[in-house]
Amino acid sequence: DQQVKQNSPSLSVQEGRISILNCDYTNSMFDYFLWYKKYPAEGPTFLISISSIKDKNEDGRFTVFLNKSAKHLSLHIVPSQPGDSAVYFCAASDGGYNFNKFYFGSGTKLNVKP
Amino acid sequence: EAGVTQFPSHSVIEKGQTVTLRCDPISGHDNLYWYRRVMGKEIKFLLHFVKESKQDESGMPNNRFLAERTGGTYSTLKVQPAELEDSGVYFCASSQGDHRSDEQYFGPGTRLTVT
Repeated sequence: DQQVKQNSPSLSVQEGRISILNCDYTNSMFDYFLWYKKYPAEGPTFLISISSIKDKNEDGRFTVFLNKSAKHLSLHIVPSQPGDSAVYFCAASDGGYNFNKFYFGSGTKLNVKP
Repeated sequence: EAGVTQFPSHSVIEKGQTVTLRCDPISGHDNLYWYRRVMGKEIKFLLHFVKESKQDESGMPNNRFLAERTGGTYSTLKVQPAELEDSGVYFCASSQGDHRSDEQYFGPGTRLTVT
């Protein structure tokens, strides 16, 4: 059963506007969350992370928001640029023995139109 | 510095055959991970090596899959015999430390097609 879900397979945004990618999780033991970006024919690359002790983490144009009560996180990209066009995966892990075991979502393909 | 490399980039085999995928992590990275993405679905964890030891192999689908990391350098993932449902993209990642805040660097993946 998939514990991390990205229900929007794709998203199209105009350059300069905000992109909001969403992710839901079911496991209440998850306490560390990450976003990865993937270009075609390449492996995923780490983008930003957040611990459950925070509700927001910001890195330049990228901000991740965590709503623990709703088991929901989102990635905001402001302003969006054509180079941001990629597949974005959210991932999560719990603090147990297997804390390096990341559970990924199925990805959201972002298209930023010039 | 070279990133994580994987070989081959693409493999097409028939059901029942054997395939071996190879991953070369970033030099000095003790931690090596295997993941798989099937048919555009989620990326699934397969296993985690620390040096040559299997730290966590809870994601390995069944005993047709065998991962090794002799000498703690490169790793191989063998599928024997391959089944149709094994088709997908197999990613390898490596990290220097084993804390989850230590970034995992992914290779470009091996696309396996079983016909």
